[in-house]
Amino acid sequence: GNSVTQMEGPVTLSEEAFLTINCTYTATGYPSLFWYVQYPGEGLQLLLKATKADDKGSNKGFEATYRKETTSFHLEKGSVQVSDSAVYFCALNIVGGATNKLIFGTGTLLAVQP
Amino acid sequence: DSGVTQTPKHLITATGQRVTLRCSPRSGDLSVYWYQQSLDQGLQFLIQYYNGEERAKGNILERFSAQQFPDLHSELNLSSLELGDSALYFCASSVGGGGAVEQFFGPGTRLTVL
Repeated sequence: GNSVTQMEGPVTLSEEAFLTINCTYTATGYPSLFWYVQYPGEGLQLLLKATKADDKGSNKGFEATYRKETTSFHLEKGSVQVSDSAVYFCALNIVGGATNKLIFGTGTLLAVQP
Repeated sequence: DSGVTQTPKHLITATGQRVTLRCSPRSGDLSVYWYQQSLDQGLQFLIQYYNGEERAKGNILERFSAQQFPDLHSELNLSSLELGDSALYFCASSVGGGGAVEQFFGPGTRLTVL
């Protein structure tokens, strides 16, 4: 079946530290990959996406590269800020099917300390 | 603000009761999705509608039902409520029903079953 595995949180970092949140996937078809972010008390917002192998999604200093050979889509940021504190979800959908429902990982809580 | 609205924001009810959650998609979006976020199950896809018709079903209990009306708003009906139904219910919308199109999430309805 289709599934997403994320590293367990919480991840606690100091401001300006380097961030990596690991994400790997299993897919029976050809997936598109996404990172969503959920700030406290809010809904999910799309952070970035990649639709084919070797694509790099980027937004607000965050990056993730679609690695088909390792079935991974790790999220990185060179220098985190306190305002980046949130829960980050890796997700996939299968392109070409009748639905583009999202399959989510468990989420990773990031806490950035000043 | 994603443009997706959900009402009510909070709902507190008792076991055995029935509730209705409402979602208005972004203007122009034809597809509506419902997701459940709980501590033990994480974020799970429940059901998708596209232009009034059911497109896909996920892990939705038989006690739950949904529909999308001609004006494209959607309602999720939860009946014979149990303690374990307490969760955050998100609605999302997108222009199309397939592919890697972005899904825009509402702020959610927090359901508490006592």
